[in-house]
Amino acid sequence: DGGITQSPKYLFRKEGQNVTLSCEQNLNHDAMYWYRQDPGQGLRLIYYSQIVNDFQKGDIAEGYSVSREKKESFPLTVTSAQKNPTAFYLCASSMIRDSGYNEQFFGPGTRLTVL
Amino acid sequence: AQKVTQAQTEISVVEKEDVTLDCVYETRDTTYYLFWYKQPPSGELVFLIRRNSFDEQNEISGRYSWNFQKSTSSFNFTITASQVVDSAVYFCALGPSGGSYIPTFGRGTSLIVHP
Repeated sequence: DGGITQSPKYLFRKEGQNVTLSCEQNLNHDAMYWYRQDPGQGLRLIYYSQIVNDFQKGDIAEGYSVSREKKESFPLTVTSAQKNPTAFYLCASSMIRDSGYNEQFFGPGTRLTVL
Repeated sequence: AQKVTQAQTEISVVEKEDVTLDCVYETRDTTYYLFWYKQPPSGELVFLIRRNSFDEQNEISGRYSWNFQKSTSSFNFTITASQVVDSAVYFCALGPSGGSYIPTFGRGTSLIVHP
């Protein structure tokens, strides 16, 4: 079945450590996105990518980094520079067409806790 | 700038009640798309519906219905005969056409359905 997978589901990090969250999609979607969600809050965009080897900062990119070496994969690294990384992280993808605008499909999320 | 307002932070109903979730949007685009997503306690956002600005017909899918009114810039979501499984956070989103492919999300409405 086509879809988006994120791993791990739960991640614990010590302060000062970098961690990488995995996101893979087999939907053949062009665009991929990373969002952060804090308890009781909406979604905030961290980074997005519309094509391979290209990505743009979202609203809260500081302390995060990404890569897009393959169409299917868009890993997110939470660096030690991110001062408050404990949150729920959601990866999404969508098709890009010349006309119209398409819905996003989301992965199951990764819950990151800093100890 | 685009904006989506979901003024209801939390709604609590008893099973079998009807409930309407409000969504008001702002955009200068003449062509745009509106979406509703459901986020159950598991965390993954599930796409429910997409509506483009040229199609003002209301839509019904089982117990779900959507009322799109351009005159009031609203895209409201009604659940008829609510069930406990409808308990979730519901997000309304606005997608511009062309140019940026980044949707604007509302802050979400938490729906709690009591048995």
